Amino acid sequence: LAKTTQPISMDSYEGQEVNITCSHNNIATNDYITWYQQFPSQGPRFIIQGYKTKVTNEVASLFIPADRKSSTLSLPRVSLSDTAVYYCLVGPPKGSSNTGKLIFGQGTTLQVKP
Amino acid sequence: EPEVTQTPSHQVTQMGQEVILRCVPISNHLYFYWYRQILGQKVEFLVSFYNNEISEKSEIFDDQFSVERPDGSNFTLKIRSTKLEDSAMYFCASSLRRELVDNEKLFFGSGTQLSVL
Repeated sequence: LAKTTQPISMDSYEGQEVNITCSHNNIATNDYITWYQQFPSQGPRFIIQGYKTKVTNEVASLFIPADRKSSTLSLPRVSLSDTAVYYCLVGPPKGSSNTGKLIFGQGTTLQVKP
Repeated sequence: EPEVTQTPSHQVTQMGQEVILRCVPISNHLYFYWYRQILGQKVEFLVSFYNNEISEKSEIFDDQFSVERPDGSNFTLKIRSTKLEDSAMYFCASSLRRELVDNEKLFFGSGTQLSVL
Protein backbone atom coordinates (compact mmCIF):
# COMPACT_ATOMS: atom_id res chain seq x y z
CA LEU A 1 0.00 0.00 0.00
CA ALA A 2 1.24 3.48 -0.83
CA LYS A 3 2.81 5.46 1.98
CA THR A 4 1.32 8.84 2.78
CA THR A 5 2.94 11.95 4.20
CA GLN A 6 0.95 14.80 5.71
CA PRO A 7 1.73 17.59 8.16
CA ILE A 8 1.65 16.53 11.79
CA SER A 9 -0.34 19.55 12.88
CA MET A 10 -2.05 22.68 11.63
CA ASP A 11 -3.68 25.64 13.30
CA SER A 12 -6.53 27.68 11.95
CA TYR A 13 -9.15 30.18 13.07
CA GLU A 14 -12.88 29.89 12.91
CA GLY A 15 -14.33 30.88 9.57
CA GLN A 16 -11.15 30.20 7.60
CA GLU A 17 -10.71 27.70 4.84
CA VAL A 18 -8.28 24.93 5.72
CA ASN A 19 -6.32 22.94 3.18
CA ILE A 20 -4.46 19.81 4.23
CA THR A 21 -2.15 18.32 1.65
CA CYS A 22 -1.09 14.70 1.58
CA SER A 23 1.74 13.25 -0.49
CA HIS A 24 1.48 9.73 -1.89
CA ASN A 25 4.21 9.39 -4.48
CA ASN A 26 3.84 5.62 -4.83
CA ILE A 27 0.11 5.56 -5.42
CA ALA A 28 -0.97 2.62 -7.59
CA THR A 29 -3.18 2.89 -10.65
CA ASN A 30 -6.23 1.43 -8.94
CA ASP A 31 -5.81 3.17 -5.58
CA TYR A 32 -8.50 5.49 -4.32
CA ILE A 33 -7.70 8.35 -1.93
CA THR A 34 -9.82 8.55 1.20
CA TRP A 35 -9.89 10.96 4.11
CA TYR A 36 -11.15 10.14 7.57
CA GLN A 37 -11.67 12.40 10.58
CA GLN A 38 -11.22 11.39 14.20
CA PHE A 39 -12.38 13.30 17.24
CA PRO A 40 -10.84 12.51 20.64
CA SER A 41 -12.12 9.24 22.11
CA GLN A 42 -14.12 8.42 19.00
CA GLY A 43 -13.65 6.17 16.02
CA PRO A 44 -12.56 7.54 12.64
CA ARG A 45 -15.31 8.88 10.44
CA PHE A 46 -15.32 8.91 6.64
CA ILE A 47 -15.15 12.38 5.12
CA ILE A 48 -14.56 12.06 1.40
CA GLN A 49 -13.07 9.82 -1.26
CA GLY A 50 -11.78 10.44 -4.75
CA TYR A 51 -9.85 8.93 -7.60
CA LYS A 52 -8.93 11.93 -9.72
CA THR A 53 -9.72 15.64 -10.27
CA LYS A 54 -12.09 17.19 -7.78
CA VAL A 55 -14.73 15.75 -5.53
CA THR A 56 -17.07 17.79 -3.35
CA ASN A 57 -19.63 16.79 -0.78
CA GLU A 58 -21.52 18.59 1.96
CA VAL A 59 -18.51 18.47 4.28
CA ALA A 60 -15.37 18.97 2.21
CA SER A 61 -13.69 19.06 -1.16
CA LEU A 62 -10.88 16.87 -2.36
CA PHE A 63 -8.48 18.05 -5.03
CA ILE A 64 -6.36 15.50 -6.86
CA PRO A 65 -3.88 16.62 -9.53
CA ALA A 66 -3.44 14.70 -12.74
CA ASP A 67 -0.38 12.79 -11.53
CA ARG A 68 -2.29 11.72 -8.37
CA LYS A 69 0.91 11.92 -6.32
CA SER A 70 -0.75 14.22 -3.83
CA SER A 71 -4.18 15.28 -2.72
CA THR A 72 -5.59 18.22 -0.80
CA LEU A 73 -8.51 18.10 1.58
CA SER A 74 -10.27 21.44 1.76
CA LEU A 75 -12.53 22.33 4.66
CA PRO A 76 -14.51 25.51 4.02
CA ARG A 77 -15.13 27.92 6.88
CA VAL A 78 -14.00 25.74 9.76
CA SER A 79 -15.56 25.95 13.19
CA LEU A 80 -14.27 24.93 16.60
CA SER A 81 -16.00 21.57 16.18
CA ASP A 82 -13.72 20.75 13.23
CA THR A 83 -10.82 20.36 15.65
CA ALA A 84 -9.80 16.76 15.04
CA VAL A 85 -7.20 14.49 13.49
CA TYR A 86 -7.49 14.12 9.72
CA TYR A 87 -6.14 11.01 8.03
CA CYS A 88 -5.25 10.62 4.40
CA LEU A 89 -5.42 6.99 3.25
CA VAL A 90 -4.48 5.45 -0.06
CA GLY A 91 -5.75 2.05 -1.13
CA PRO A 92 -6.33 -0.79 -0.95
CA PRO A 93 -6.72 -0.75 -4.71
CA LYS A 94 -9.92 -1.57 -6.52
CA GLY A 95 -9.96 -5.26 -7.32
CA SER A 96 -7.64 -6.04 -4.42
CA SER A 97 -8.22 -9.02 -2.16
CA ASN A 98 -7.62 -6.83 0.91
CA THR A 99 -10.84 -6.47 2.82
CA GLY A 100 -11.23 -3.34 4.88
CA LYS A 101 -7.61 -3.24 5.92
CA LEU A 102 -7.09 0.47 6.06
CA ILE A 103 -3.60 1.70 6.84
CA PHE A 104 -3.71 4.80 8.99
CA GLY A 105 -0.76 7.11 9.35
CA GLN A 106 -0.26 9.63 12.13
CA GLY A 107 -2.68 12.05 10.52
CA THR A 108 -2.84 15.82 10.78
CA THR A 109 -4.05 17.30 14.03
CA LEU A 110 -6.08 20.38 13.15
CA GLN A 111 -6.61 22.87 15.94
CA VAL A 112 -9.27 25.48 15.22
CA LYS A 113 -9.06 28.56 17.43
CA PRO A 114 -11.74 31.13 18.13
CA GLU B 1 -26.93 8.13 10.11
CA PRO B 2 -26.76 4.49 11.24
CA GLU B 3 -24.27 3.70 13.99
CA VAL B 4 -21.98 0.95 15.15
CA THR B 5 -22.39 0.54 18.89
CA GLN B 6 -19.78 -0.83 21.26
CA THR B 7 -20.00 -1.95 24.84
CA PRO B 8 -18.63 -1.33 27.34
CA SER B 9 -17.12 2.08 26.73
CA HIS B 10 -14.46 1.34 29.34
CA GLN B 11 -13.15 -1.98 30.57
CA VAL B 12 -10.58 -2.45 33.31
CA THR B 13 -9.09 -5.87 33.82
CA GLN B 14 -6.21 -7.57 35.52
CA MET B 15 -3.34 -8.97 33.51
CA GLY B 16 -4.01 -12.56 32.54
CA GLN B 17 -7.77 -12.22 32.61
CA GLU B 18 -10.03 -12.81 29.65
CA VAL B 19 -12.03 -9.94 28.21
CA ILE B 20 -14.78 -9.82 25.64
CA LEU B 21 -15.46 -6.61 23.80
CA ARG B 22 -18.86 -6.36 22.18
CA CYS B 23 -20.09 -4.61 19.09
CA VAL B 24 -23.36 -4.28 17.25
CA PRO B 25 -22.55 -3.49 13.61
CA ILE B 26 -24.94 -1.69 11.30
CA SER B 27 -27.79 -4.08 10.64
CA ASN B 28 -27.47 -4.65 6.89
CA HIS B 29 -23.68 -4.68 6.81
CA LEU B 30 -21.86 -7.84 5.86
CA TYR B 31 -18.22 -7.12 6.67
CA PHE B 32 -16.93 -6.59 10.19
CA TYR B 33 -13.63 -5.41 11.57
CA TRP B 34 -11.65 -4.70 14.68
CA TYR B 35 -9.03 -2.00 14.90
CA ARG B 36 -7.15 -0.71 17.89
CA GLN B 37 -5.35 2.48 18.87
CA ILE B 38 -2.79 2.60 21.61
CA LEU B 39 -2.74 6.00 23.29
CA GLY B 40 -0.92 8.51 21.11
CA GLN B 41 -0.33 6.03 18.31
CA LYS B 42 -1.85 5.10 14.97
CA VAL B 43 -5.10 3.30 14.39
CA GLU B 44 -4.10 -0.31 13.59
CA PHE B 45 -6.01 -3.00 11.74
CA LEU B 46 -6.54 -6.22 13.68
CA VAL B 47 -8.95 -8.42 11.77
CA SER B 48 -11.69 -8.52 9.16
CA PHE B 49 -14.58 -10.98 9.24
CA TYR B 50 -17.10 -12.06 6.66
CA ASN B 51 -19.50 -14.95 6.30
CA ASN B 52 -18.59 -16.26 9.75
CA GLU B 53 -14.92 -16.52 9.13
CA ILE B 54 -11.82 -14.38 9.32
CA SER B 55 -10.94 -12.80 5.99
CA GLU B 56 -7.68 -11.24 6.99
CA LYS B 57 -5.75 -10.64 10.18
CA SER B 58 -2.71 -8.65 11.15
CA GLU B 59 0.41 -9.76 12.98
CA ILE B 60 -1.06 -8.26 16.14
CA PHE B 61 -3.98 -10.69 16.00
CA ASP B 62 -2.22 -13.69 17.50
CA ASP B 63 -3.61 -16.78 19.19
CA GLN B 64 -4.70 -14.73 22.20
CA PHE B 65 -7.31 -13.00 20.08
CA SER B 66 -10.49 -14.42 18.63
CA VAL B 67 -13.61 -13.01 17.01
CA GLU B 68 -17.11 -14.33 16.82
CA ARG B 69 -20.50 -13.42 15.51
CA PRO B 70 -22.60 -15.39 17.98
CA ASP B 71 -25.94 -14.27 16.58
CA GLY B 72 -27.34 -12.08 13.85
CA SER B 73 -26.46 -8.81 15.49
CA ASN B 74 -23.40 -9.02 17.73
CA PHE B 75 -19.73 -9.18 16.85
CA THR B 76 -17.22 -9.83 19.61
CA LEU B 77 -13.49 -9.65 20.17
CA LYS B 78 -12.08 -11.90 22.86
CA ILE B 79 -8.64 -11.57 24.38
CA ARG B 80 -7.91 -14.80 26.24
CA SER B 81 -5.15 -13.70 28.59
CA THR B 82 -4.64 -9.98 28.60
CA LYS B 83 -1.23 -8.38 28.73
CA LEU B 84 -0.28 -4.88 29.79
CA GLU B 85 0.45 -4.01 26.16
CA ASP B 86 -3.13 -4.85 25.17
CA SER B 87 -4.21 -1.60 26.81
CA ALA B 88 -5.71 0.43 23.98
CA MET B 89 -8.90 1.77 22.47
CA TYR B 90 -10.53 -0.99 20.45
CA PHE B 91 -12.74 0.06 17.57
CA CYS B 92 -15.28 -2.12 15.86
CA ALA B 93 -16.23 -1.24 12.30
CA SER B 94 -18.53 -2.53 9.61
CA SER B 95 -19.16 -2.04 5.92
CA LEU B 96 -21.75 -3.09 3.41
CA ARG B 97 -19.28 -4.14 0.75
CA ARG B 98 -15.81 -5.60 0.67
CA GLU B 99 -14.16 -3.05 -1.56
CA LEU B 100 -13.83 0.37 0.01
CA VAL B 101 -14.03 2.30 -3.24
CA ASP B 102 -16.74 4.34 -4.97
CA ASN B 103 -17.54 5.96 -1.62
CA GLU B 104 -17.96 2.68 0.19
CA LYS B 105 -16.72 3.30 3.69
CA LEU B 106 -16.04 1.83 7.07
CA PHE B 107 -18.36 2.89 9.85
CA PHE B 108 -16.52 2.88 13.15
CA GLY B 109 -17.95 2.62 16.63
CA SER B 110 -16.92 4.93 19.47
CA GLY B 111 -14.60 2.32 20.88
CA THR B 112 -13.94 0.43 24.08
CA GLN B 113 -11.07 1.73 26.15
CA LEU B 114 -9.36 -1.35 27.59
CA SER B 115 -7.05 -0.85 30.54
CA VAL B 116 -4.99 -3.85 31.66
CA LEU B 117 -3.52 -3.48 35.14
